[in-house]
Amino acid sequence: NAGVTQTPKFRVLKTGQSMTLLCAQDMNHEYMYWYRQDPGMGLRLIHYSVGEGTTAKGEVPDGYNVSRLKKQNFLLGLESAAPSQTSVYFCASSLTSQYNEQFFGPGTRLTVL
Amino acid sequence: GENVEQHPSTLSVQEGDSAVIKCTYSDSASNYFPWYKQELGKRPQLIIDIRSNVGEKKDQRIAVTLNKTAKHFSLHITETQPEDSAVYFCAPGGAGSYQLTFGKGTKLSVIP
Repeated sequence: NAGVTQTPKFRVLKTGQSMTLLCAQDMNHEYMYWYRQDPGMGLRLIHYSVGEGTTAKGEVPDGYNVSRLKKQNFLLGLESAAPSQTSVYFCASSLTSQYNEQFFGPGTRLTVL
Repeated sequence: GENVEQHPSTLSVQEGDSAVIKCTYSDSASNYFPWYKQELGKRPQLIIDIRSNVGEKKDQRIAVTLNKTAKHFSLHITETQPEDSAVYFCAPGGAGSYQLTFGKGTKLSVIP
């Protein structure tokens, strides 16, 4: 099993450009999450999904959109990138609830110039 | 929303000594209390968790204790080793919420 994978690993954007980050899991997990990690700020939840076709906002959703069309995939979109979105993005998944272990992907380092 | 604070933000210990990290939270409805470890350049990984019906849980050299009345829980690492050097995050959550709220992290350095 590959676990949780993220594509791409690194990306550099110019202000105003758009991009999509892909998260995939092969563990048949129901819950999926997108976090951003900035120095000294811990992990902050952007959006999450409790099942295929459902999404919800987390702590810092502004400037991001998500979709969960397939159970195994969770996409994070930036429509018009801003320098404040420079960060490391982690995707995670858990089996059936918030009480289950979250398994994290390797992260995507995004720089917006 | 949940307000989570971790103390200390950095901690240096000699190899073989014990380390304790404390996490305070604000939501009295929280009933799940995990700790995650993140090594430099790696992804976070769960190391231990506890539910609110249990006061303490041990797994070899690590333990978590919970004081629900005071709304704090702590990570204890005994006989520290260099490989324990990492950033540790608490992430309380549970009833009434689908999400966990991560603290800002504690950087633990174990000096050989």
